[in-house]
Amino acid sequence: TQLLEQSPQFLSIQEGENLTVYCNSSSVFSSLQWYRQEPGEGPVLLVTVVTGGEVKKLKRLTFQFGDARKDSSLHITAAQPGDTGLYLCAGERLAQFYFGTGTSLTVIP
Amino acid sequence: GAGVSQSPRYKVTKRGQDVALRCDPISGHVSLYWYRQALGQGPEFLTYFNYEAQQDKSGLPNDRFSAERPEGSISTLTIQRTEQRDSAMYRCASRKTGGLNSPLHFGNGTRLTVT
Repeated sequence: TQLLEQSPQFLSIQEGENLTVYCNSSSVFSSLQWYRQEPGEGPVLLVTVVTGGEVKKLKRLTFQFGDARKDSSLHITAAQPGDTGLYLCAGERLAQFYFGTGTSLTVIP
Repeated sequence: GAGVSQSPRYKVTKRGQDVALRCDPISGHVSLYWYRQALGQGPEFLTYFNYEAQQDKSGLPNDRFSAERPEGSISTLTIQRTEQRDSAMYRCASRKTGGLNSPLHFGNGTRLTVT
């Protein structure tokens, strides 16, 4: 059972465009993490958000945790081919991590 | 090594055989998690340990699946009487502490194929 739904599932955009990935749940989480995964490798942490309403920026990536700590978004500005990969959100609750359904991003040069 | 190590990287087995998948976590990491991941999808929780104690095994699909971490370090995920539906990527992750800012560190996984 996937507690976290991500949208869109697939996204193909041109280099330089902006995009937003959404991660939604009806459950409350103590923290939410975003990971990026490249083919043949395990997911790698991008950011952790803990406080409801928190916004974190990592270069061209902006992450937001919903006020109720049930949802999150990832916004990428001026996407580059190196941003291509599978983006995963993961909510933590009672030391368990529940992963989202994943968003596969392809940035075309 | 510096990262989480899983072996074997690939495993092909015949239906009905038992398999053992190994995970060597980052040294000193308290928690160890097992996940199963389908291509292009998020990891699905199987079980996790704090030190040698199995804290939650609710994600194990059935009683053919078991895991152990006897000395609080290396862990083994065992699948008995394998079936074709067990074919998947099995990933291990370790975590230094239980703190909110303590992330999961994933290995490169074991790709299991049951023929």
